[in-house]
Amino acid sequence: SYVLTQPPSVSVAPGQTARITCGGDNIGSQSVHWYQQKPGQAPVLVVYADSGRPSGIPERFSGSNSGNTATLTISRVEAGDEADYYCQVWDSSSDHYVFGTGTTVTVL
Amino acid sequence: EVQLVQSGAVVKKPGESLRISCKGSGFSLTSYWISWVRQVPGKGLEWMGRIDPSDSYTVYSPSFQGHVTFSADKSINTAYLQWSSLKASDTAIYSCAKVGGDYYMDVWGKGTTVTVSS
Repeated sequence: SYVLTQPPSVSVAPGQTARITCGGDNIGSQSVHWYQQKPGQAPVLVVYADSGRPSGIPERFSGSNSGNTATLTISRVEAGDEADYYCQVWDSSSDHYVFGTGTTVTVL
Repeated sequence: EVQLVQSGAVVKKPGESLRISCKGSGFSLTSYWISWVRQVPGKGLEWMGRIDPSDSYTVYSPSFQGHVTFSADKSINTAYLQWSSLKASDTAIYSCAKVGGDYYMDVWGKGTTVTVSS
């Protein structure tokens, strides 16, 4: 089955840039989506189809995808960005969805 | 407003059966797939499977195949997740999510906490 690997944690100072990676075999050929989950809350879609941004999501959130790595970038990080972040793809060969292992972003 | 409203938290004993619900509001469930996602407290998101409420076609993750069942009632715009025999290891938060155009989950329910304990 397809595996998506994320770093367990990323720490960043306020105002700086956080980059969260999502590694998978030839992930660049897949459409990658990203979710933000704050404690006690449901996940929220923050980036879809590699770099699309849903309505209401700040422009500070952006995504890219190439080769074996997709990246979620959070610019000008704020305290409110502290959360767990998950990448996700749909594996067409199995018709299954796959979530990444998740990354906890800590704002210092 | 488009939303998914899930049933409330439940406490069950091992071996008991359970059905939890996910009601669509502001849209028709028959126009979108619904995915179910499990989250054990302190752990990551696990995709359990999906249902197409228009025809009740289902796809299950191998990890959950045979242990849970998805269903839907179009007349009341509601999807269901059920167990026939719960285990303590089923203790988790279960969320339903609407699947958007490019296989992303754009609307999520708030989750149903299921506790299985003797």
